[in-house]
Amino acid sequence: AQSVAQPEDQVNVAEGNPLTVKCTYSVSGNPYLFWYVQYPNRGLQFLLKYITGDNLVKGSYGFEAEFNKSQTSFHLKKPSALVSDSALYFCAVRDIDTGFQKLVFGTGTRLLVSP
Amino acid sequence: NAGVTQTPKFQVLKTGQSMTLQCAQDMNHEYMSWYRQDPGMGLRLIHYSVGAGITDQGEVPNGYNVSRSTTEDFPLRLLSAAPSQTSVYFCASSTDRGIADTQYFGPGTRLTVL
Repeated sequence: AQSVAQPEDQVNVAEGNPLTVKCTYSVSGNPYLFWYVQYPNRGLQFLLKYITGDNLVKGSYGFEAEFNKSQTSFHLKKPSALVSDSALYFCAVRDIDTGFQKLVFGTGTRLLVSP
Repeated sequence: NAGVTQTPKFQVLKTGQSMTLQCAQDMNHEYMSWYRQDPGMGLRLIHYSVGAGITDQGEVPNGYNVSRSTTEDFPLRLLSAAPSQTSVYFCASSTDRGIADTQYFGPGTRLTVL
């Protein structure tokens, strides 16, 4: 079965500093990985995805993610954090075993950016 | 277009009551799904549909029913609400054309069962 793990419940960073939100995955076969963000009282918004190709994936709002096959990781990064980046971040993997579009989500990491 | 819409935004039910959470999308997406979000557990799939007339169970289907009579709509029914169904419910949709398709989420329905 496909799964992802987000080892940190919360990440704290000061505005202007780089941020990293960690995600590791476990899959049988090729991984298809996604990052979503949830702002307070809002639905999930798509940030970026890795399907194949370059290990550095660029997404919305200045975010990027680095795919590392040897470490089975897909960490979300941003060079300079903004207070407005404070939100709940979810890593997800496509569950290809079941043959449809199911996403398996991690438990989420809350990012808190302080002024 | 409006994307994925959900109604209501908030709902309070008493144990044993029934209700329907509405979900609609105007992107002509084949695939639609319902998730529930609980603290510390991420999002868990309840039911999904790959097209009109076709539905199937996800990870946590007990206590919920769905139907898909049109491409646009995918309502979720709670037949007899229980406190364990207190959660935030999200509907999502995507095309069903390939592994790279992105799912788009609605704004959610916050349900409290007393």
